[in-house]
Amino acid sequence: QQPVQSPQAVILREGEDAVINCSSSKALYSVHWYRQKHGEAPVFLMILLKGGEQKGHEKISASFNEKKQQSSLYLTASQLSYSGTYFCGTGEYNNNDMRFGAGTRLTVKP
Amino acid sequence: DARVTQTPRHKVTEMGQEVTMRCQPILGHNTVFWYRQTMMQGLELLAYFRNRAPLDDSGMPKDRFSAEMPDATLATLKIQPSEPRDSAVYFCASGLVGNEQFFGPGTRLTVL
Repeated sequence: QQPVQSPQAVILREGEDAVINCSSSKALYSVHWYRQKHGEAPVFLMILLKGGEQKGHEKISASFNEKKQQSSLYLTASQLSYSGTYFCGTGEYNNNDMRFGAGTRLTVKP
Repeated sequence: DARVTQTPRHKVTEMGQEVTMRCQPILGHNTVFWYRQTMMQGLELLAYFRNRAPLDDSGMPKDRFSAEMPDATLATLKIQPSEPRDSAVYFCASGLVGNEQFFGPGTRLTVL
C-alpha cells in the first residue's frame, strides 16, 4: 500500500526550512527518502530503520516514528540545489517490499 | 564509478509490438527492482528480484508483462503486446538488502 506524503508541493526562498511528511497505514520496517530532479533518476538521500538507526550522507535530516508509522524529512537552510521531487519509500519486510509515495515537489527560489 | 545501466534509453514503438528493456545492475548487488513512473501514478513497483529469484511481481499486469534475470548481470522487462497506456519511464534499480537502491537512468517508452 502506497504511503501518503504531504505537502504535495512547497515553494521556498533560499535559506528557508521545510518539512516533508510521510505516513503509512501499515507497520513499517524502514523508510527511504529519495530526491529526483526533472528528467533524471531518483537519487538516494537517507534510510531510517526500525529501531532508530539512521543512515544518510547529506546535510538533510529525518525522523522515524515507528508507533505513528510516520517519517519526516527536514531540510534546513535550503539551497537552490535542493529543488526537486522528494519521494519516501516504505518497506514492511526487510526493505524488499517497498512502495513509494506520490512525491513532494520542492522549489527553492533565490 | 559503479552505476546501473539501462538500454535502450528511449523507445518509440507501435501498439501491439513487443518491447524489451534491459538492465545491468551494479556488480555485487543482490536485489534488483523494476519501477514504472508516470505523471498520474507516480513511481510504481513492478517487480523485484533477490539473488536472481523473483520475489514479487504483483505490480505487473501479468498478461502482457514479464520480468526475468537470466544471470546476475542482466535483468529484463518485456511487454508483449504493448499498448499506449504502457507509455512511461521505466527504471531499474539495484542494491543490497537493507541498504539504499541505486537507480538507472531509465527507459522512456512511447507506444503509439
